[in-house]
Amino acid sequence: AQSVTQPDARVTVSEGASLQLRCKYSYFGTPYLFWYVQYPRQGLQLLLKYYPGDPVVQGVNGFEAEFSKSNSSFHLRKASVHWSDWAVYFCAVRNYNQGKLIFGQGTKLSIKP
Amino acid sequence: NAGVIQTPRHKVTGKGQEATLWCEPISGHSAVFWYRQTIVQGLEFLTYFRNQAPIDDSGMPKERFSAQMPNQSHSTLKIQSTQPQDSAVYLCASSPGSNTEVFFGKGTRLTVV
Repeated sequence: AQSVTQPDARVTVSEGASLQLRCKYSYFGTPYLFWYVQYPRQGLQLLLKYYPGDPVVQGVNGFEAEFSKSNSSFHLRKASVHWSDWAVYFCAVRNYNQGKLIFGQGTKLSIKP
Repeated sequence: NAGVIQTPRHKVTGKGQEATLWCEPISGHSAVFWYRQTIVQGLEFLTYFRNQAPIDDSGMPKERFSAQMPNQSHSTLKIQSTQPQDSAVYLCASSPGSNTEVFFGKGTRLTVV
């Protein structure tokens, strides 16, 4: 069955430091992958999306992610985090045949001043 | 483009009462989804419509929960005889197609007292 695993429930980084949030997926075939961000008391906002093609995709606010078929991973990266990045980040895979998004459990990102 | 609109944003119901949640998808989007978000379970898929037809309701509790899409401009999620464990944020989302990004509303926070 398709699934998404985000192994880190919480990550804390210093402002200005680099960031990597991990995502592993289980999917038969070629996945369509997404990262969403949820700020406090708000809905989910799309950060970036991967469709089959270039494995490195760029998103909003300086975020990027790299797809690896061999590692079944889609890790999110940012070179320098800002306090405004404090949020919960969700990785998701879209089921091609059925269309629904399957989410990981989310990673809560905290920023140290 | 106002995005996906969900009403009400907050709803408090007494145990045993009925709750109806409303969603207006983005105009022109053919797919509509309902998800439930709780701290414990995370983001749970409930149901999915495509061109107003129910496609996948595998996440819907078999009793008390029902969803409809009577026209392309709105969908409803109805919970009969609400229970405290139904307390959650209910998210509606829409998408232009099967393999494109999914856009979420801000959610309806349901509290059953």
